[in-house]
Order: sequence, then structure tokens, then C-alpha cells
Amino acid sequence: EMQLVESGGGLVQPGGSLRLSCAASGFTFSNYWMHWVRQAPGKGLVWVSRIDNDGSSRDYADSVKGRFTISRDNAKNTLYLQMNSLRAEDTAVYYCAKGGVDCWGQGTLVTVSS
Amino acid sequence: DVVMTQSPLSLPVTLGQPASISCRSTQSLVYSDGNTHLHWFQQRPGQSPRRLIYKVSNRDSGVPDRFSGSGSGTDFTLKISRVEAEDVGIYYCMQGTHWPFTFGPGTKVDIK
Repeated sequence: EMQLVESGGGLVQPGGSLRLSCAASGFTFSNYWMHWVRQAPGKGLVWVSRIDNDGSSRDYADSVKGRFTISRDNAKNTLYLQMNSLRAEDTAVYYCAKGGVDCWGQGTLVTVSS
Repeated sequence: DVVMTQSPLSLPVTLGQPASISCRSTQSLVYSDGNTHLHWFQQRPGQSPRRLIYKVSNRDSGVPDRFSGSGSGTDFTLKISRVEAEDVGIYYCMQGTHWPFTFGPGTKVDIK
């Protein structure tokens, strides 16, 4: 069974940093693009970033470009999102999703507040 | 960015009755490979999104056949033939043709 498990969320002050992880199992991780999508409290879904299967191609939403970095370790079947210069508007549940978006994690909550 | 719109945004339905959600995009969602990357998701309260329909009309494994998708180009529809209590939640259309991928605002389905 395909599974994605996010971790690393928490409370951080504005301007701070966090690193999210997404552990994958049940499929050949290195064969798929991977994505980060976020959902602010009570709001809709917004794409954050994507990375191709070997990490050579990465795309970001304009709202996080220059502040967030997506990466992956195919040997560890793990996706990452390094988030720097965090702002209050980055507060959201962050989901990782498998390429094809047929599998999502349970999400990890990031709260940016002083 | 491609803007996705949905209507209605709120849909109270009687159990056993049909429901229909419309989704429109500001650009054609036909990709260069000929596929149309328009998908539908269900998000039940407190849960992650779950894909129901991929590439317009293909039901995901385990999705009841009361769910169906149709449409082409910029105009798409999700139909539930007979709403059941477990269908309560928010339904999103999503386009995966143009980066950044974008979602519709969501349609909240609840029981009258």
C-alpha cells in the first residue's frame, strides 16, 4: 500500500526556518515526481513546489520562490521542504503528494506566529 | 496562472438525490500529449484530500460508481448519482496541465 508520512511541522517565529520531511513507502519513490501542497486553516488547496524524479528539475509557487527549497533523497525514499524566512501567511497544513496526485500524506501543521 | 472556478460553492443535498458540480478553467487543459489533466478530489472533514477522478472521467480504485466525471477543454462536471451520508465534504477540481497546478475554490456538499 502506498503511504506518505509528513513530519517536521510546528510553531516558529516570523523570519524563522523549518524543514519538513515526507517519508514514502509502498511504491518506487525514485520513479515519481513529488509535490508539496498547503492548506491554510479553513481555506483551499495551494500548490507550493514540485520536484522531478531525480531532483534535477524543481518548480515553486511565486509566493515561496527564493524562500523555500524542495529536495529529495531517493536512497532514503524521503522528500524535503526547507522553509526559510517564514511569514504569518505561510501558516498552513503542508501535504506531500506523489506524482499523479493519487497518494497524499496526512499533512503536518506549520504555524508562524510570535 | 490558470484560474479554476467551481459552482455552486455550497451544495445541500437530500440523501439519495443526485448532485452536480461544475468546474471551469481560464485556459484549455489539453496537454501536449493529448491528455486533459483535470482531476477531482474529495476532502472529508479533518482528512487529507483523496483523488476520486483523474483525467476528466477515470474513477480511482475503490471509488463508488455513483461518482462520475465528464467534460472537455475548459468545462468539466462531477456528478454524484445518489448522495450518501459518507459523501459529505468539500470537492475540489484541480488542473495538472499548466504549472503552477491550481485547484478550484471547493464545493461544500452537505446533507439537507
